[in-house]
Amino acid sequence: NAGVMQNPRHLVRRRGQEARLRCSPMKGHSHVYWYRQLPEEGLKFMVYLQKENIIDESGMPKERFSAEFPKEGPSILRIQQVVRGDSAAYFCASSPTFPNTEAFFGQGTRLTVV
Amino acid sequence: QQQVKQSPQSLIVQKGGISIINCAYENTAFDYFPWYQQFPGKGPALLIAIRPDVSEKKEGRFTISFNKSAKQFSLHIMDSQPGDSATYFCAAETSGSRLTFGEGTQLTVNP
Repeated sequence: NAGVMQNPRHLVRRRGQEARLRCSPMKGHSHVYWYRQLPEEGLKFMVYLQKENIIDESGMPKERFSAEFPKEGPSILRIQQVVRGDSAAYFCASSPTFPNTEAFFGQGTRLTVV
Repeated sequence: QQQVKQSPQSLIVQKGGISIINCAYENTAFDYFPWYQQFPGKGPALLIAIRPDVSEKKEGRFTISFNKSAKQFSLHIMDSQPGDSATYFCAAETSGSRLTFGEGTQLTVNP
């Protein structure tokens, strides 16, 4: 049973470009969470999704950031017109059908904006 | 009210010693308190977790102590080993919601 898969592991974007981060949850998990970790800091919640629904996006910046978890395929975190301050590690976590007794994290995507 | 305060920020322990990391919370609706371990370049991995109906949970060398009235919980690592050197995060959650993390403690265990 593969764990939470995130890709790419490393992503470099120039200012103004778009970044797309993908997350495939563990098999049988229908709840996905995205967190952002700045260097030397803790994990900050961004968004919580179930299949085809956004449940809680209270941690998402109001502009440029969006997330989806379609019926088929991975969850996508999309950052438009990236800026240097978006440079961080983005982690995805998934949990089973009933949230959230145990969340399993992926290895993260390290985004660098140059 | 959603914050979880973690201390210390960094901790250095000798091999064989006891590592103690503390966390405090305000939201009494939190009902699940996990600890995560993170190695450099890796994602956080669940280490041990507790619910507020028990005051202590032990798994191997790792113990969580939970004080509901004080709204505090702590992680104790007995017989600390160099391989335990990592960043540790406490977290808290309300059912059906998401994890709120502490700021992390960087643990170094010297040989």
